[in-house]
Amino acid sequence: ELKVEQNPLFLSMQEGKNYTIYCNYSTTSDRLYWYRQDPGKSLESLFVLLSNGAVKQEGRLMASLDTKARLSTLHITAAVHDLSATYFCAVDILPPSGTYKYIFGTGTRLKVLA
Amino acid sequence: DSGVTQTPKHLITATGQRVTLRCSPRSGDLSVYWYQQSLDQGLQFLIQYYNGEERAKGNILERFSAQQFPDLHSELNLSSLELGDSALYFCASSPGGAGGMVYEQYFGPGTRLTVT
Repeated sequence: ELKVEQNPLFLSMQEGKNYTIYCNYSTTSDRLYWYRQDPGKSLESLFVLLSNGAVKQEGRLMASLDTKARLSTLHITAAVHDLSATYFCAVDILPPSGTYKYIFGTGTRLKVLA
Repeated sequence: DSGVTQTPKHLITATGQRVTLRCSPRSGDLSVYWYQQSLDQGLQFLIQYYNGEERAKGNILERFSAQQFPDLHSELNLSSLELGDSALYFCASSPGGAGGMVYEQYFGPGTRLTVT
C-alpha cells in the first residue's frame, strides 16, 4: 500500500532562516509532486520531479528526489513571510497489474515569523 | 488567476440529494482532474479525464461520477450524499495527460460542498 508521510507537520520559523521539509513514501516510484496551498485558497503546483536525482528550484524553494531512499526534500532558503502556507507532496504509481494510485502527504503547515 | 473556473463556489444540500459541480479548464488544456479535500480524509485525487476520456481513477466513490464534454469542460456528479461528503472539491487542468500526474496543473478556486 502506498503511504506518503511528511514531516514536520507544523513548522514555525524565523525570517531569514533555512529549513527542510521531508516527504517519505513507501512504494517505489519515480514521480513526486510538490504543491502549495495558502490559507483558504486553492492549490498551486510547485514542482514535478520525474527521476532519481531530480532537482528543481524556484526562488527560495528547492526540491529534490532520491528514489532509492524514497525521499523528497523541499528546502527553504532565507525564508520570507510570503512563504507561509501549507506544502503538500504527492506520489503516484501505476503498478503493472494494479490500480493507479496517487496519494498526498498530510501537508506541512509553514509559518514564517517576522 | 489560474484560468480554471469552477461553479458553484458554495453549495449547501441535504443528505440523500444529488449535486453537479462544474469545471472549465484553461484554454487549450485537454486534461481535467478532480480532487476532494476534507479535514477527515485530507487531499484525495478522484479522477482524471483527457480529451473526453477517463485516464486515471483514484479514490472516487461509486456514488460519484464524472465526465468531460466535447468543449472540454467537466462535471462531477455526487449522488446519495452523506454528511462525510462535505468537503472542498477542486478541479485542475493541464495541457497534456498521459494517465499520470506528470504535468504541471492549474487549479480552480474550488467548490465548497456542505451536506446537512
